[in-house]
Amino acid sequence: TQLLEQSPQFLSIQEGENLTVYCNSSSVFSSLQWYRQEPGEGPVLLVTVVTGGEVKKLKRLTFQFGDARKDSSLHITAAQPGDTGLYLCAAKTSYDKVIFGPGTSLSVIP
Amino acid sequence: EPEVTQTPSHQVTQMGQEVILRCVPISNHLYFYWYRQILGQKVEFLVSFYNNEISEKSEIFDDQFSVERPDGSNFTLKIRSTKLEDSAMYFCAREEMNTEAFFGQGTRLTVV
Repeated sequence: TQLLEQSPQFLSIQEGENLTVYCNSSSVFSSLQWYRQEPGEGPVLLVTVVTGGEVKKLKRLTFQFGDARKDSSLHITAAQPGDTGLYLCAAKTSYDKVIFGPGTSLSVIP
Repeated sequence: EPEVTQTPSHQVTQMGQEVILRCVPISNHLYFYWYRQILGQKVEFLVSFYNNEISEKSEIFDDQFSVERPDGSNFTLKIRSTKLEDSAMYFCAREEMNTEAFFGQGTRLTVV
C-alpha cells in the first residue's frame, strides 16, 4: 500500500514567521503535487515536482522534491494570514489514481 | 486554468434516497476522478474513469455507487441508497499531463 504522510498535522504561527511542512513516503513516485485547500472548497494545485532534488519557487513558497523522490517539503517565508489553509501533498500511484496525504492545517495569526 | 464545475453545491437528502452528483468539465477530456472528504478528514479516492469506463475504484466505492458519462459531457456519481456516513464533500477532478488533478469546488452532501 502506497501512503503519504505529512507533518506537522497542525501548525499555528504568527504573521511574518517562516515555516516548513513535510511530506514523506516509503514509496518512490515519478512526481508529486502540492495542493492548498480552504474550508468548503476543492484542493487547488500549487506545484508539481518531477525530478529528484528539484526545487521550485512560487513567490514566498519554496517546494523541494527529495533526491530519492520519496519525500518533499514546502517552505513558506514571511507567512501571511492569506496563507492559512490545508496543505496537501499528492502523488499518482502505479495505478490510475492520485492519492493524498492527510494534510497540514496551517493557521497564520495576524 | 482548467477547471470543472460541480452541481449542486449543496445537497440535503434523506437516508435511503438516491442522489446524483454532477460534474461538467470545460472540454472533452478523457480522464476523471471522484474523491470524497468527510468533514475534518483526508481526501479519499473513490474512482477513476477513463474513456467512458471505470479504470480503478477503491474499497469505499461499493455497489451503492456508480459513475456515468451519459451524454459525453456531464460526469455523474450516483449513490443509490444513501447512508448517514455518506455525508461528506464530494469532489470531481480532471487529469492533465498524466499527473496533475484539477478539482471542482465540490458538492456538500448531507444525509439526514
